Amino acid sequence: AQSVSQHNHHVILSEAASLELGCNYSYGGTVNLFWYVQYPGQHLQLLLKYFSGDPLVKGIKGFEAEFIKSKFSFNLRKPSVQWSDTAEYFCAVNDGSDYKLSFGAGTTVTVRA
Amino acid sequence: DAGITQSPRHKVTETGTPVTLRCHQTENHRYMYWYRQDPGHGLRLIHYSYGVKDTDKGEVSDGYSVSRSKTEDFLLTLESATSSQTSVYFCAISATGMNTEAFFGQGTRLTVV
Repeated sequence: AQSVSQHNHHVILSEAASLELGCNYSYGGTVNLFWYVQYPGQHLQLLLKYFSGDPLVKGIKGFEAEFIKSKFSFNLRKPSVQWSDTAEYFCAVNDGSDYKLSFGAGTTVTVRA
Repeated sequence: DAGITQSPRHKVTETGTPVTLRCHQTENHRYMYWYRQDPGHGLRLIHYSYGVKDTDKGEVSDGYSVSRSKTEDFLLTLESATSSQTSVYFCAISATGMNTEAFFGQGTRLTVV
């Protein structure tokens, strides 16, 4: 079964600081990679996705992520966060063996004004 | 937003009673998933479906059953609710299971007393 690890449980930042959230997965074959965001009291929304091609993917709201196959990693970055980026962020992986979409435990990001 | 409706949105039930949650989609997507979200655990897959009458277990399937008699509906049943099943339940849909994103419903908050 796929295992997804998010290294940070809670990150606290000031506005304009840079953000990087780590994500590692265990499956070595073909994978789809995702970052989802959940704002307080809301459902999950897609930030960005990687299926194939350029390993640097850009998503909504200025977020980007880099897929490093050799490290089984898909880290999320944003150069300058805003207060409105306060949310919980989930890394998710879908592999070609059984189409199960597996999630990491999530990282809570708090941005202080 | 994708056409996903979860019902009920909130429910309080007593220990030992059966409970059924419904996920209804209007997108004609093949794959449907049930997750539970708990603090510190992220989203954990309960069951998923890859077509009408085709279902499989996820990582936390004990105490849960599912049915999918129509493309648009995926039912999750707690056979005999326990306090450990107090959680927020999310339904998700995906067109093909691979190389496509999953869309999430608004969630059902279930409390077992």
